[in-house]
Amino acid sequence: DAMVIQNPRYQVTQFGKPVTLSCSQTLNHNVMYWYQQKSSQAPKLLFHYYDKDFNNEADTPDNFQSRRPNTSFCFLDIRSPGLGDAAMYLCATSNPGQTGFNEQFFGPGTRLTVL
Amino acid sequence: LAKTTQPISMDSYEGQEVNITCSHNNIATNDYITWYQQFPSQGPRFIIQGYKTKVTNEVASLFIPADRKSSTLSLPRVSLSDTAVYYCLVGPPPGSNTGKLIFGQGTTLQVKP
Repeated sequence: DAMVIQNPRYQVTQFGKPVTLSCSQTLNHNVMYWYQQKSSQAPKLLFHYYDKDFNNEADTPDNFQSRRPNTSFCFLDIRSPGLGDAAMYLCATSNPGQTGFNEQFFGPGTRLTVL
Repeated sequence: LAKTTQPISMDSYEGQEVNITCSHNNIATNDYITWYQQFPSQGPRFIIQGYKTKVTNEVASLFIPADRKSSTLSLPRVSLSDTAVYYCLVGPPPGSNTGKLIFGQGTTLQVKP
């Protein structure tokens, strides 16, 4: 089945130690998103790629970076995680040419713990 | 992007119809209304999308009045497994070459036996 895969599902890192979360998709969608979701809060969009075009949200901290080496993969890099970065990180895709931006397909998320 | 307002929580019982209303007073002329469902420790799941009047699929119905300043998600005969957070979002129309979704606070639906 076509899907969005996130690895790992659970990630533990130390305060200040760089960490990379990965997302892959078999849907061949143009757009890939990264969201941060803290406990009992709504998902918050960090940035998205439309093909190779990177779109950063204005309030996304510089500590968060992203890479998309090809259509299938997208990475979220947290350069110096702080305790406040502990959250669920959700990857999503969409295919604007067919189903539009509004129908996004989410992965299961990576829960990040910062010690 | 138009801001959305929903009730924070709702309770229901198995077998009942549940209606969750969302307010989006500043919706733009071309914007679409989209609803997502999220279970604990999972990513959100697209439920339904519409522009006006009524849209129905195998999961839910979406009612949008003529002024489009609100919308109502209707879940027929809910079961315990429908306990989740439901998000109402306003976003660009299909065919747009740019756009993003901003999630509001959502409505936590608790279905009781």
